[in-house]
Amino acid sequence: QKEVEQNSGPLSVPEGAIASLNCTYSDRVSQSFFWYRQYSGKSPELIMSIYSNGDKEDGRFTAQLNKASQYVSLLIRDSQPSDSATYLCAVNPLAGNNRKLIWGLGTSLAVNP
Amino acid sequence: ETGVTQSPTHLIKTRGQQVTLRCSSQSGHNTVSWYQQALGQGPQFIFQYYREEENGRGNFPPRFSGLQFPNYSSELNVNALELDDSALYLCASSEGGISTDTQYFGPGTRLTVL
Repeated sequence: QKEVEQNSGPLSVPEGAIASLNCTYSDRVSQSFFWYRQYSGKSPELIMSIYSNGDKEDGRFTAQLNKASQYVSLLIRDSQPSDSATYLCAVNPLAGNNRKLIWGLGTSLAVNP
Repeated sequence: ETGVTQSPTHLIKTRGQQVTLRCSSQSGHNTVSWYQQALGQGPQFIFQYYREEENGRGNFPPRFSGLQFPNYSSELNVNALELDDSALYLCASSEGGISTDTQYFGPGTRLTVL
């Protein structure tokens, strides 16, 4: 079983719609959860970090974490064509000083004008 | 505050050669992590340096080596290059310690091995 799983997509949504991206992880002791956006040929760019159960909102983005279900999601409201990218979910399974991140393969999002 | 920088941006090598990639961490960050990202894949952890010491290593052979300097910049060295080493190499820096573990990425180095 892969440690961090995401649907590869592509997920296609019309402009202005809500895009919902999902991620599950296998290590129950995971502490930190991150969503990164990656445009083709570019490096990952941090969108959100979340550490506690519940929702965390930042502008058009909302991250949701449910540790009991080992599930983290990212909602993008009012999707724009510029949101078209691959969204990577990353999990840090350890507290303390080892900052290794475990990555999903990413979900490709296409926002259609 | 300067962000994470990497050099070179692109590199073409042949099999068997050696390569050195460089990374300057973000101001105030003492931890550097290196990742390899093949096309269509998520980043794979190579190793991490914290205050000049290796602080964890992924499943990469010993021909992948690195170091971190007193100013917290870092190098990734790959010996005896293989075709499968062709990838985007990412460097990420973070503050270290326990207060935060968010990693910020540099622009990456695209390595092509022919």
